[in-house]
Amino acid sequence: DVKVTQSSRYLVKRTGEKVFLECVQDMDHENMFWYRQDPGLGLRLIYFSYDVKMKEKGDIPEGYSVSREKKERFSLILESASTNQTSMYLCASSSTRTDVSYGYTFGSGTRLTVV
Amino acid sequence: EDQVTQSPEALRLQEGESSSLNCSYTVSGLRGLFWYRQDPGKGPEFLFTLYSAGEEKEKERLKATLTKKESFLHITAPKPEDSATYLCAVQADDYKLSFGAGTTVTVRA
Repeated sequence: DVKVTQSSRYLVKRTGEKVFLECVQDMDHENMFWYRQDPGLGLRLIYFSYDVKMKEKGDIPEGYSVSREKKERFSLILESASTNQTSMYLCASSSTRTDVSYGYTFGSGTRLTVV
Repeated sequence: EDQVTQSPEALRLQEGESSSLNCSYTVSGLRGLFWYRQDPGKGPEFLFTLYSAGEEKEKERLKATLTKKESFLHITAPKPEDSATYLCAVQADDYKLSFGAGTTVTVRA
């Protein structure tokens, strides 16, 4: 069974802290994505990566950065956490850029609360 | 800019009461339209991909259809275990997915 694993289900951090969210996939997928999900707003794309060491900004990259040193691992970094970054964060992967057959495979999410 | 609008926001059904969810979209060059199911506290789970107008796909009590401007997810004779949030997403020429806000379905026994 293919999997996308997010390292933490729940996190509570203080304002100004540097926060790392980790995501690992075991499907040898090329593409990886970070979304945040907020009530009434749906899923919004933060950053994505089509290859190792490659990253592209999504729709709401401000306040975030990412790292992809290995194909299976994609990390989201909140440089200085703020309360408006309290949200559910979802990592996803897909096999190739053009293959839409199976959509994305999502992790279970990390619910981050910044106090 | 690609837009995906889902309606209604919430749907409460009695067990066995069939209904439909709507997903309307505007996108430049549709590559695929996706339906996902999301249970509370979990990530979305892939259900269907539709590629072109007129296409239909089925899975158990769910049937998805696609026109040039919208997609419907029909739930036939729903059961309580069909309670979830259903998300619609479109993939455009830039290959990125744009999601709607979802429809939360509650099925009462």
